Amino acid sequence: KNEVEQSPQNLTAQEGEFITINCSYSVGISALHWLQQHPGGGIVSLFMLSSGKKKHGRLIATINIQEKHSSLHITASHPRDSAVYICAVMADSNYQLIWGAGTKLIIKP
Amino acid sequence: EADIYQTPRYLVIGTGKKITLECSQTMGHDKMYWYQQDPGMELHLIHYSYGVNSTEKGDLSSESTVSRIRTEHFPLTLESARPSHTSQYLCASSAGVIGELFFGEGSRLTVL
Repeated sequence: KNEVEQSPQNLTAQEGEFITINCSYSVGISALHWLQQHPGGGIVSLFMLSSGKKKHGRLIATINIQEKHSSLHITASHPRDSAVYICAVMADSNYQLIWGAGTKLIIKP
Repeated sequence: EADIYQTPRYLVIGTGKKITLECSQTMGHDKMYWYQQDPGMELHLIHYSYGVNSTEKGDLSSESTVSRIRTEHFPLTLESARPSHTSQYLCASSAGVIGELFFGEGSRLTVL
């Protein structure tokens, strides 16, 4: 079993829909990262959080430390949101990053 | 905007050649990383550094070496490239033990 699990692996939705991507982890962490990777492109950091909730534009990230679970929400989704969304956690035992496999999101117009 | 740069962006070379992928950042970050990523797959850590003269191997050292002589520069060298090294190589940096990650645009390597 992977230490960081993302769901779903693939998600296709219509423009305007509310999107939720989940990340569960099994280790103690210092921080959790959400990142975005467009096809053929580099990786961009969206959020880094260790508790609570953060919001940036149409993106919202939440984390529940007790449940070892984080969610990334996209409101009013748009085709330009189509990308792979990656969750990564920093283990508090050795400060190493553990990566999820990513969620491929396609938003259809 | 991230100030981390990778060169070359694309490279096609023959088997057995020695190559160096360059990575530079102007943010003064102490932590730097090299990742390998095949299309549609997750990232695999090759090497990382916590500062000058500090380098460590990751899960996938892939017969490569790195050096960290200057804070801003973290080159990756393949002594003898093989077709199995064909992949995208991503360089990243962060400030402090826990910091936001910044990635370069990647170097896409093809070994014939």
